[in-house]
Amino acid sequence: KQEVTQIPAALSVPEGENLVLNCSFTDSAIYNLQWFRQDPGKGLTSLLLIQSSQREQTSGRLNASLDKSSGRSTLYIAASQPGDSATYLCAVSPLRGSNYKLTFGKGTLLTVNP
Amino acid sequence: GAGVSQSPSNKVTEKGKDVELRCDPISGHTALYWYRQSLGQGLEFLIYFQGNSAPDKSGLPSDRFSAERTGGSVSTLTIQRTQQEDSAVYLCASSLARRGGITGELFFGEGSRLTVL
Repeated sequence: KQEVTQIPAALSVPEGENLVLNCSFTDSAIYNLQWFRQDPGKGLTSLLLIQSSQREQTSGRLNASLDKSSGRSTLYIAASQPGDSATYLCAVSPLRGSNYKLTFGKGTLLTVNP
Repeated sequence: GAGVSQSPSNKVTEKGKDVELRCDPISGHTALYWYRQSLGQGLEFLIYFQGNSAPDKSGLPSDRFSAERTGGSVSTLTIQRTQQEDSAVYLCASSLARRGGITGELFFGEGSRLTVL
């Protein structure tokens, strides 16, 4: 059974700092991996989707990398801003079987202090 | 619509009552998902609809839960005889789906927060 772990569970940084969020998964047979952002009381917003054949994806100040063989992904946020404060979730889609059944981590709560 | 729309945004009900949660996906998205997010837990898959195919209901936690999708668009998740452990945020998502059921990027609604007293 796939398990997704996100470390740290919470992170507090000063504004302007570059930071890395980590996601690990136990079964490397994945179809894709997605990073989401969730603001308090809100739904999830998709940030980046990485196909299993890709190494990284970039969007603005965000860069997500994927090392499928080691079961790891990182989300790099450059020049963090208070507006980046949210919970960041990663989710993997299985390669075999029902690839629509995403397995989510429990998220990293990020606080960026002005 | 521009995004996935869910209603109600908040629902407080008494134990034993039935509730219906509604999801209106992004126009043109053939795949629709329901997930549940409980306090301190990760998101839990409930059910998946794709076009006219039979839905995958394998994630529904008990037979008190059911869902339907009418006309390939709007979906309703129904919980009968609610219990306190049903309290959670119920999230709906939609995506484009390619042949073979391979899914693309998921777009989530803001969720329906259910509180069972």
